[in-house]
Amino acid sequence: NAGVMQNPRHLVRRRGQEARLRCSPMKGHSHVYWYRQLPEEGLKFMVYLQKENIIDESGMPKERFSAEFPKEGPSILRIQQVVRGDSAAYFCASSFGLAVTGELFFGEGSRLTVL
Amino acid sequence: DAKTTQPTSMDCAEGRAANLPCNHSTISGNEYVYWYRQIHSQGPQYIIHGLKNNETNEMASLIITEDRKSSTLILPHATLRDTAVYYCIVSATDSWGKFQFGAGTQVVVTP
Repeated sequence: NAGVMQNPRHLVRRRGQEARLRCSPMKGHSHVYWYRQLPEEGLKFMVYLQKENIIDESGMPKERFSAEFPKEGPSILRIQQVVRGDSAAYFCASSFGLAVTGELFFGEGSRLTVL
Repeated sequence: DAKTTQPTSMDCAEGRAANLPCNHSTISGNEYVYWYRQIHSQGPQYIIHGLKNNETNEMASLIITEDRKSSTLILPHATLRDTAVYYCIVSATDSWGKFQFGAGTQVVVTP
């Protein structure tokens, strides 16, 4: 049973380019969460999605960032016109439902470096 | 606003128990205590959670004080693979998954 799969694991972009990070949740999971971890800092919640719906995007920067979780396919975190401050590890997590077991399953992260 | 307070770091000898404290003096009645850990560069891993009763699983034990203002995570027999940053999180079920990870406690297990 594969865990949460994120790709790419490492991504390098130049300032002004776009970054697309993909997350395939665990089989049977319909809830996806994105977190960002800046260098030497803790994880910060960004957005919570269910299939085709954004439930809570209170942690998402208002500009340049967007997320989706289509009916078919992985969840996508999209960062437009990247800046150096976007360099971070982006973690995706999934769950079957709310607070079923208390366990949120995390992927290994996508590390974005902006040159 | 940090909801939990943890020591910055602690060392533990291999084979000994590691006791990780967490202060959550402003915890609400509907908030659970969760523990996760992050081994260097990996995604966080769930350890255990509880509301008010003590809990135990194959990884650890969670002791919550009667007033629920603090808790202790116990790793009964620490191994080198337990070296990680340990996060104590409080969260209500209606905001579950939207966790506030603080700075955590860096635990180093030494031979």
